[in-house]
This record gives sequence, structure tokens and C-alpha cells, in this order.
Amino acid sequence: DAGVIQSPRHEVTEMGQEVTLRCKPISGHDYLFWYRQTMMRGLELLIYFNNNVPIDDSGMPEDRFSAKMPNASFSTLKIQPSEPRDSAVYFCASSLALPQPQHFGDGTRLSIL
Amino acid sequence: DAKTTQPNSMESNEEEPVHLPCNHSTISGTDYIHWYRQLPSQGPEYVIHGLTSNVNNRMASLAIAEDRKSSTLILHRATLRDAAVYYCILRDVQYGNKLVFGAGTILRVKS
Repeated sequence: DAGVIQSPRHEVTEMGQEVTLRCKPISGHDYLFWYRQTMMRGLELLIYFNNNVPIDDSGMPEDRFSAKMPNASFSTLKIQPSEPRDSAVYFCASSLALPQPQHFGDGTRLSIL
Repeated sequence: DAKTTQPNSMESNEEEPVHLPCNHSTISGTDYIHWYRQLPSQGPEYVIHGLTSNVNNRMASLAIAEDRKSSTLILHRATLRDAAVYYCILRDVQYGNKLVFGAGTILRVKS
């Protein structure tokens, strides 16, 4: 079975550029999550969706970050404009309803120069 | 979110059992206890979860104290591949389907 698919796996870009991270959840999962992991702050939930609708975006750091889920099989996390402090590994996860486990993708390692 | 307390790190010998403790003294009646692990350079991976009773699966066992204020993840025979960060997380179904990760326990396995 295909797991959660994230792209790109690595992204290096310059400060000020727009960055778009992509995620394809596991088919049939109706929850989708975006997390960020840094050495300083660990793993943080940014936002999650249920049936393509954002439920909790309290973890989104600021207006430069936005996330969309136009359909059940695709989601994007966009940073515009990007800053060096956005450098991190970004994970996408999907799940069925509570308390079913979340399945994580391999992450996108983002470096902002 | 109810908090959990785990040791920063533990060490085990290969082929021996490992008991990873987690304290959650403020757990509520509707909190599920979830364990995830994260291998180096990978995303977190679900290990096991439970509510009140002990649970077993192909990866591990979860022993939950009678008062639910603590739990223990048991790896029956540690392998080098089990070296990872192990996270104990409480999930309350009343407050949304989210995971709040702490610092976890770094498990080192010696050959």
C-alpha cells in the first residue's frame, strides 16, 4: 500500500522566495496534518484538516504560512516570503478518525539561505 | 493537553527486552495513550496505543497502570533497528485529532 507521499524531499532556496510543499495522503484517510520539526522546538503541529476543511490552524506561525486542501488526495503548505528561520523538516501525516494512528510521510527538508 | 514525562535517554543491549516508562499523572478518563517512534532521518512511526487495558501488537506491548497515571512500552527483543526516539503522547478524543509531541526518550541499542 502506498503511504503518505511528500514532495519534494529536499528544497534549498533563497530568502524571500515562495516555497510550496506537497502532500498526498493515504487513500480513504479523512484527516491530514502538517508538522514542522526543528532541533530547537521539536515536532510541532501546524494545521490539520478533516474532510478537506481546516480544523485547527493555531500552530501556523504567521501569515507567511498558508495551507490548502483542494481535494481529498492533495494538500499544499506554502511559505511566502520564506525566511532562514523557516528552515526545518516538514512532515505531512494522514489518518482515519480518532483514535486511529497517524501515518507520516518521509518529510521535506527545507533550507532557506 | 495532558502532559507526559519520559526519561531523556535509555540504553539497551541487543536481543534483550526494553521497558520504556512514561508518567502521565494528570491523565483524564478519555485520554488514549499513544506511542510513536522516530528513526533517524525518518518521519514518526506509530507503535501502539491503549486506553485502559494492556495491549500487544507485532511491534511491542503496552502495559498501563491500574490508575492510568503511568504506562510502559515494552520491546521484547531489542534490535539495532529499534534505536530511535520514542514518544509517549496522550490523545483526548474530545479535543481534536492531534498529536502533541514532547521531547521523547532516545533509545540506544548496543550490539
